Amino acid sequence: GAGVSQSPSNKVTEKGKDVELRCDPISGHTALYWYRQSLGQGLEFLIYFQGNSAPDKSGLPSDRFSAERTGGSVSTLTIQRTQQEDSAVYLCASSIQQGLNQPQHFGDGTRLSIL
Amino acid sequence: AQTVTQSQPEMSVQEAETVTLSCTYDTSESDYYLFWYKQPPSRQMILVIRQEAYKQQNATENRFSVNFQKAAKSFSLKISDSQLGDAAMYFCAYRRGGSQGNLIFGKGTKLSVKP
Repeated sequence: GAGVSQSPSNKVTEKGKDVELRCDPISGHTALYWYRQSLGQGLEFLIYFQGNSAPDKSGLPSDRFSAERTGGSVSTLTIQRTQQEDSAVYLCASSIQQGLNQPQHFGDGTRLSIL
Repeated sequence: AQTVTQSQPEMSVQEAETVTLSCTYDTSESDYYLFWYKQPPSRQMILVIRQEAYKQQNATENRFSVNFQKAAKSFSLKISDSQLGDAAMYFCAYRRGGSQGNLIFGKGTKLSVKP
């Protein structure tokens, strides 16, 4: 079956603009994660959705960042009033809820560049 | 808070030789999981191998194996018979116990394979 799909693959925008990044998880995966990877760095956790539970937003760096997941499937990460430090690759991952130690499956990411 | 440290920013290995990538972590929890992910230039994170902390036996996946030292909080990855396709960034990651949760990543090791 299809893997995690992210769009757009690349996004260039001007400082101060809002951007929306989309993630379509693997069908049947109830857990969805957003991570940010800055140049030369590891992945930084942003937000986590699990079924109908309230999302874990503990990794969001500022109130300019928000995310939603509609219908328990597709998720959108929104960055308002973008800043140059928001430039990074944004990766989405999904996993099955049931069972222990289920691995997270990653998409190819969206490379965001703020001019 | 849990942390993951990869002390080798870059490593190099000759094709067909063996290389070991280091990873240490800090946690006060007794139940957790450890992972190695590979990230080629395509950006997609690919799961290489995983280890449950409660298992004493080291995980193996074909040419990939780990040396898990729980008391020392060390989780190194050994790649045997290195191939050109193994060249990539390698990330060590930690996840707390339970059915789900976000991953905490190290900063990665860039592995080069020389023909």
